[in-house]
Amino acid sequence: AQTVTQSQPEMSVQEAETVTLSCTYDTSESDYYLFWYKQPPSRQMILVIRQEAYKQQNATENRFSVNFQKAAKSFSLKISDSQLGDAAMYFCAYKGGSTLGRLYFGRGTQLTVWP
Amino acid sequence: DTGVSQDPRHKITKRGQNVTFRCDPISEHNRLYWYRQTLGQGPEFLTYFQNEAQLEKSRLLSDRFSAERPKGSFSTLEIQRTEQGDSAMYLCASSPRDRDTDTQYFGPGTRLTVL
Repeated sequence: AQTVTQSQPEMSVQEAETVTLSCTYDTSESDYYLFWYKQPPSRQMILVIRQEAYKQQNATENRFSVNFQKAAKSFSLKISDSQLGDAAMYFCAYKGGSTLGRLYFGRGTQLTVWP
Repeated sequence: DTGVSQDPRHKITKRGQNVTFRCDPISEHNRLYWYRQTLGQGPEFLTYFQNEAQLEKSRLLSDRFSAERPKGSFSTLEIQRTEQGDSAMYLCASSPRDRDTDTQYFGPGTRLTVL
């Protein structure tokens, strides 16, 4: 089974600064998708960014960008110009390209943003 | 899109009772997923529907759990003879037909507490 590892249970960042959240995964597939989801205290999971494994270019969504290292099976999330509203639990998730089903999630990283 | 909705948002029940949760996906999303999330963990996959067909079930879905999606629209998740270990947040997600945009969108969840 695929595994997703987030080695940082907690991270903190000063408002307007940059923070990077780490994620590694284990798979034998060559075609797959990777996601970062944000879960604020209200608990609704929100998609932050997605990356297709076949694309070499790193995905970017406004202040959020990823560093996708396929050979190293690493998928980190960089948040630039951090805002108070970025405070949340962040989950890294994997979905195999050969199936249309389940997401495999990491255990999450709790991000605190200090004013 | 009105988003994925779930009902109820909270449920408190006594051990041994049956409970049923409902999920309404984003309209025209033909794929629907159920996940379970316990405190401090990432969501864990339970089951997946494509239209009305249940295509995948996790080992977590014991025989006390049953899920249906009778008309390919809303889905229900029933837990029979609840146990304290069933206490968790139950999340529903849906995704559209197009494989290239097979991103899962989550509802707010149903928090179950078994006393």
